[in-house]
Amino acid sequence: NAGVTQTPKFQVLKTGQSMTLQCAQDMNHNSMYWYRQDPGMGLRLIYYSASEGTTDKGEVPNGYNVSRLNKREFSLRLESAAPSQTSVYFCASSEWSGPTNEKLFFGSGTQLSVL
Amino acid sequence: RKEVEQDPGPFNVPEGATVAFNCTYSNSASQSFFWYRQDCRKEPKLLMSVYSSGNEDGRFTAQLNRASQYISLLIRDSKLSDSATYLCVVNNGNNRLAFGKGNQVVVIP
Repeated sequence: NAGVTQTPKFQVLKTGQSMTLQCAQDMNHNSMYWYRQDPGMGLRLIYYSASEGTTDKGEVPNGYNVSRLNKREFSLRLESAAPSQTSVYFCASSEWSGPTNEKLFFGSGTQLSVL
Repeated sequence: RKEVEQDPGPFNVPEGATVAFNCTYSNSASQSFFWYRQDCRKEPKLLMSVYSSGNEDGRFTAQLNRASQYISLLIRDSKLSDSATYLCVVNNGNNRLAFGKGNQVVVIP
């Protein structure tokens, strides 16, 4: 049982490049989330998906897009990376619908650097 | 005022000692509260929920003070393996979770 798997673990981009972070969970959870964590700040929600087929903006959605491909997979895309998007990104899932469910299961994170 | 505030520390505690720290929240309508643990360069993991009556899980005790709008975490008989950052998480009533910056705990042999 792998839980939440996200790839890649590390990525370096040049300003303006695009990339997609992949996330998959095998716990049959309805809800999935993308967070970013910056030094000296708490985790901030980028986007979430309460169920397959739905996505909603979180606290810091600008510069990102998401796709809930199916119940298992939730991807995060940076269309034109900017240095301000240098961060650690975490995917998470939970059993219930909506971002108020607090029992989150996190992936191991992606360290992204934008030069 | 920030939604969730924590003193980042570090909290240096001798092995075997007790350490406690608080987290304050700004939204009086917040419904539920949690502590997550995050090891260095790792993902956060749920440590425990915080119930109104307070709750205990082994060496860990969590309490909620709604009147003063804070939650607390106490770790007794600290182990080296307790060294981590403890994140306070609050359901702020606006259909969104708010994470604190974390309290860093360093257990010293």
